[in-house]
Amino acid sequence: GEDVEQSLFLSVREGDSSVINCTYTDSSSTYLYWYKQEPGAGLQLLTYIFSNMDMKQDQRLTVLLNKKDKHLSLRIADTQTGDSAIYFCAALKPNMRFGAGTRLTVKP
Amino acid sequence: KAGVTQTPRYLIKTRGQQVTLSCSPISGHRSVSWYQQTPGQGLQFLFEYFSETQRNKGNFPGRFSGRQFSNSRSEMNVSTLELGDSALYLCASSSSGQGFLGANVLTFGAGSRLTVL
Repeated sequence: GEDVEQSLFLSVREGDSSVINCTYTDSSSTYLYWYKQEPGAGLQLLTYIFSNMDMKQDQRLTVLLNKKDKHLSLRIADTQTGDSAIYFCAALKPNMRFGAGTRLTVKP
Repeated sequence: KAGVTQTPRYLIKTRGQQVTLSCSPISGHRSVSWYQQTPGQGLQFLFEYFSETQRNKGNFPGRFSGRQFSNSRSEMNVSTLELGDSALYLCASSSSGQGFLGANVLTFGAGSRLTVL
């Protein structure tokens, strides 16, 4: 199976919270990342978490890591239309392995 | 601080031709990685260079090659182009590269979009 898996689509209303989920297979992944890609652009790092952490918060972003279940999530609070993009989960071990990306659509 | 610069941004080639893509990393970054992004396969790792040495290589045929210069700028080359090589090629730089302890935060360029006809 794929090393890193994500659901492909998520649609939310402006002002709601968005939760993007990711699972990975290699439990020895040392760091896990969330990247954002807007149309016509490269990937922009949003945040990352070390594998011995459970949670990391950075302004509107909250990352939760369940190492036992190999599950990573990204919560975006108060989602705005400008958050519409593709979000990639990635795991480092030894190369960077990316998920297929979740296309987030924010409706006004 | 200038970001990662990739050139050209767009190019069209025909089957059988070859192409060279260029990447200038962030000043001070010694690691450059290349990725291929397609709708069907997503983001796939091509190779990584650190201080002019290829450190890691993904599962791509030998038609895909790269190199890194002493100023850390990198080029990748694809020979004998096939239709399936049409993709967005992304370059990313980092200060430490893979294999070192630490988060290996990648900074991506905007990509070079290759269309093979």
